Amino acid sequence: DGGITQSPKYLFRKEGQNVTLSCEQNLNHDAMYWYRQDPGQGLRLIYYSQIVNDFQKGDIAEGYSVSREKKESFPLTVTSAQKNPTAFYLCATKWGVDRNQPQHFGDGTRLSIL
Amino acid sequence: GQQVMQIPQYQHVQEGEDFTTYCNSSTTLSNIQWYKQRPGGHPVFLIQLVKSGEVKKQKRLTFQFGEAKKNSSLHITATQTTDVGTYFCIYNQGGKLIFGQGTELSVKP
Repeated sequence: DGGITQSPKYLFRKEGQNVTLSCEQNLNHDAMYWYRQDPGQGLRLIYYSQIVNDFQKGDIAEGYSVSREKKESFPLTVTSAQKNPTAFYLCATKWGVDRNQPQHFGDGTRLSIL
Repeated sequence: GQQVMQIPQYQHVQEGEDFTTYCNSSTTLSNIQWYKQRPGGHPVFLIQLVKSGEVKKQKRLTFQFGEAKKNSSLHITATQTTDVGTYFCIYNQGGKLIFGQGTELSVKP
């Protein structure tokens, strides 16, 4: 969706390396999310944040870390503790905490192991 | 916990045939959303259903929410090659969107 920028589009990680995926939005949305998608599967929630300086673990947070220092930015770090990082990573935003609001997605980052 | 099962996992149709995907929940849902993800792309919001028995249409797409709010369906009439992709039903759980497994639709011209 326009207004959500994920970078890079493709990323390669070496063994033992931490890598950071960027997600920036100019939609002024309060909530931001990180999902992981494996081939042929649905999306699984890694972390989410509903307000600046606050975030919660999703279903598969182990091996990942996030920060939310600014409303516009929600970077995801894939640490060396994540032993199977190869996947398609999607960032999403949502206006407010109203459960009925739809989510808007970025174009994603494909992460692979070298 | 609350679970949503989406079927079928894959559906291959001839162009012009109809297509339906179903989502079934073990518990009552407050609402359900449908998204479409084109191959290599990201999910795009299609519609949200909130009311019991609700039916909404978008051109050739018809969305239904069951009377008990435990199931939902997406029906596409006369599929076209542009309909190719994976269709997800999603429900909201405490501010988080929980995705169904998705139905991958392929259309043969």
